[in-house]
Amino acid sequence: AQTVTQSQPEMSVQEAETVTLSCTYDTSENNYYLFWYKQPPSRQMILVIRQEAYKQQNATENRFSVNFQKAAKSFSLKISDSQLGDTAMYFCAFMKLLGNTPLVFGKGTRLSVIA
Amino acid sequence: DGGITQSPKYLFRKEGQNVTLSCEQNLNHDAMYWYRQDPGQGLRLIYYSQIVNDFQKGDIAEGYSVSREKKESFPLTVTSAQKNPTAFYLCASSIQLAGGTQYFGPGTRLLVL
Repeated sequence: AQTVTQSQPEMSVQEAETVTLSCTYDTSENNYYLFWYKQPPSRQMILVIRQEAYKQQNATENRFSVNFQKAAKSFSLKISDSQLGDTAMYFCAFMKLLGNTPLVFGKGTRLSVIA
Repeated sequence: DGGITQSPKYLFRKEGQNVTLSCEQNLNHDAMYWYRQDPGQGLRLIYYSQIVNDFQKGDIAEGYSVSREKKESFPLTVTSAQKNPTAFYLCASSIQLAGGTQYFGPGTRLLVL
């Protein structure tokens, strides 16, 4: 079975600064997908970024980027130029390569962006 | 607009009562999922369905039931056997492709009276 661990229950960052959220996972699979989801106070789950394990290049989406270290089974999220709207719970999630398999989530990191 | 809708937004259950949470999607997605969210627990899988008239149990299926009679709909029933139903329930859907991203509805908050 796969497990996902987010070791930072809470973090804070000053507006316009950069912050990195950690995620590690355990799997015996060689190919899979990794995701970061954001859940703001509205509780709507929003996809932030996804990474295919067979791609060596780290995914980026505007101010969001990941550092994917397959051998170390690490998948951290970097948020640059933090904005007040980035305040949310952030969940790391794992999915097997085969289609339509459920996500396995970490317990989340609560990020507060301070003005 | 395409998307996933969940209703109601808030639901109150009396002791011994079965309640049903609605999840509808018009994205033409094949797969649908139900997750439960408790404080400090992340999201845990209750049930999922990859195709109409078929579904599989997740990690915490006890006390819950589902049906998938239509592609667009995946209702979740919380039965009286679920002794601790107070939680936030999220429905998601995805296309039938490897790595298909799951998109989530707005959720239903279930409270016990």
